[in-house]
Amino acid sequence: EVQLVESGGGLVQPGGSLRLSCAASGFTFSSYEMNWVRQAPGKGLEWVSYIGISRNTIKYADSVKGRFTISRDNGKNSLYLQMNSLRANDTAIYYCARDRGANGYFTNWGQGTLVTVSS
Amino acid sequence: DIQMTQSPSTLSASVGDRVTITCRASQSISNWLAWYQQKPGKAPKFLIYKASSLESGVPSRFSGSGSGTEFTLTISSLQPDDFATYYCQQYNSYPWTFGQGTKVEIK
Repeated sequence: EVQLVESGGGLVQPGGSLRLSCAASGFTFSSYEMNWVRQAPGKGLEWVSYIGISRNTIKYADSVKGRFTISRDNGKNSLYLQMNSLRANDTAIYYCARDRGANGYFTNWGQGTLVTVSS
Repeated sequence: DIQMTQSPSTLSASVGDRVTITCRASQSISNWLAWYQQKPGKAPKFLIYKASSLESGVPSRFSGSGSGTEFTLTISSLQPDDFATYYCQQYNSYPWTFGQGTKVEIK
């Protein structure tokens, strides 16, 4: 069974940093592209970032470009999101989501981790 | 960026009803469209890809259609488990974008 488990969320002050992790199991992690998708409280879904299988292709939404860095460790079956210069409007549940063949849709999702940016 | 607009935003329906949700793209996305279902406090669940291809394990009462800029998600006979919010998503070009969601509630 595919499992994605996010961790690392919490309360952080504006301008602060946080690193999210996503532990994958139940599938060959190194063979799948991965993404981060977020959802502000009571709002819709927003794609944040994508990373290819061998990290050769990385994409970001304009809203996080230059502040967030996606990475992966295929040996540890883990996906990461380093978030710097956090703003109040980065407050959201962050989901890691598995892609299918670099198609761009999200077949499996974790349960999410809440990031709250507030003073 | 490609804007995705869903209608209606909220839909009231009864068990057994046929329900249709519309998703419009601001430019042609061919058939590069996916649909998701989300229940309160839960992660989204993947339903349909390539506008009309049903993901394995998804009940056959769900169907998708459309191409270009206009798409629909249809639930042929609404079941109690189907009351949720539905999102469309385009994956024609970056950044991948979602519709604002359609909440299907009990009438």
